[in-house]
Amino acid sequence: GQQVMQIPQYQHVQEGEDFTTYCNSSTTLSNIQWYKQRPGGHPVFLIQLVKSGEVKKQKRLTFQFGEAKKNSSLHITATQTTDVGTYFCAVSTNAGKSTFGDGTTLTVKP
Amino acid sequence: GAVVSQHPSWVICKSGTSVKIECRSLDFQATTMFWYRQFPKQSLMLMATSNEGSKATYEQGVEKDKFLINHASLTLSTLTVTSAHPEDSSFYICSARDGTTSTDTQYFGPGTRLTVL
Repeated sequence: GQQVMQIPQYQHVQEGEDFTTYCNSSTTLSNIQWYKQRPGGHPVFLIQLVKSGEVKKQKRLTFQFGEAKKNSSLHITATQTTDVGTYFCAVSTNAGKSTFGDGTTLTVKP
Repeated sequence: GAVVSQHPSWVICKSGTSVKIECRSLDFQATTMFWYRQFPKQSLMLMATSNEGSKATYEQGVEKDKFLINHASLTLSTLTVTSAHPEDSSFYICSARDGTTSTDTQYFGPGTRLTVL
């Protein structure tokens, strides 16, 4: 099945700095989804990208899907302490199953 | 928005006992539900796909006789961890897919933290 590699595993930033996590695959992806999991919480769906080169924004979050549909990124501008958590990318199959990346855990120092 | 509930939110049990976890879609019909397991500081690992009215499909390496899944209605799936052992201690999370839409969005439950003594 489709697998995704996510980097970095951990990222520590000062509040106000930007943050980016990357999701890469060796195969062409049909879609990519991004989730956020707060410490002690459950994953919360953020967005799904399906089109080549697609860029979507949610306030300070910018999501991109590569032209070749083999990579994706999530960029947070001017991080805040509320952004802490683990960000997962995931790929879903026709059967609806999702394969998750290992996640990037973001910590923000006030 | 779509809401998925899970019960219980946490459970502590003795080794050898069985534990049932419920997953409910509260405001939509879920033809498909998924059960994941997440160990500390790790990603979510899919255990099985639960389809309403049919047998669950288990991922490779997941024992179907140990993790019993029942999806008796469009809003309820249950996972029973039979003869639980300490190594089964984990965070179990279900998700549901809205069968009325064509999107791949999964809505996750709040999770159940299982501790087996």
